[in-house]
Amino acid sequence: AQKVTQTQTSISVMEKTTVTMDCVYETQDSSYFLFWYKQTASGEIVFLIRQDSYKKENATVGHYSLNFQKPKSSIGLIITATQIEDSAVYFCAMRETNSGTYQRFGTGTKLQVVP
Amino acid sequence: NAGVIQTPRHKVTGKGQEATLWCEPISGHSAVFWYRQTIVQGLEFLTYFRNQAPIDDSGMPKERFSAQMPNQSHSTLKIQSTQPQDSAVYLCASSPRQGRDTGQLYFGEGSKLTVL
Repeated sequence: AQKVTQTQTSISVMEKTTVTMDCVYETQDSSYFLFWYKQTASGEIVFLIRQDSYKKENATVGHYSLNFQKPKSSIGLIITATQIEDSAVYFCAMRETNSGTYQRFGTGTKLQVVP
Repeated sequence: NAGVIQTPRHKVTGKGQEATLWCEPISGHSAVFWYRQTIVQGLEFLTYFRNQAPIDDSGMPKERFSAQMPNQSHSTLKIQSTQPQDSAVYLCASSPRQGRDTGQLYFGEGSKLTVL
């Protein structure tokens, strides 16, 4: 069965530092897609970055990057040079290529960036 | 380019009343999803349409909930005889295609339903 787990409920970091948020997943499918989304205080949910399971290279977009460890079924989100506006809830999601029709979300990690 | 539009943004109903939520996906997006978000359950999948056809409604409560997509520009989620436990933010999302190389979801701002 498909499952996505985010064990970190909340994290607080100093501005301009680097933070890593963890996500582990379970799937029987050999091919799948992994996503990270950000939900701001206003409730808006926006897509940040994705990793396709068949790609070995970690995805990077701006100051977001991923640490994809396929043998551990892990996809960590790394934010470098954090800014106050990075404060939000971050969700990890997965969709299986062959058997999945929708993205299943983790429970989210609340990030607070303090000055 | 307008994003996903959801109306109403807020709806308050009394127990036992009906609630209808509307979603206008991004033009050209063939996949439309409905999710529900609560503090306790998080983001839960409800149902999915592709090219207006219902594909997967495995997340929909079997009673009282129904969803339709009568044309490519809008989808509705109807809850009959609303109960307090239906209180949640209902989110509509669309994506440009659904297939082997799925795209990311574009979410609307959500419709917050409060059942008194």
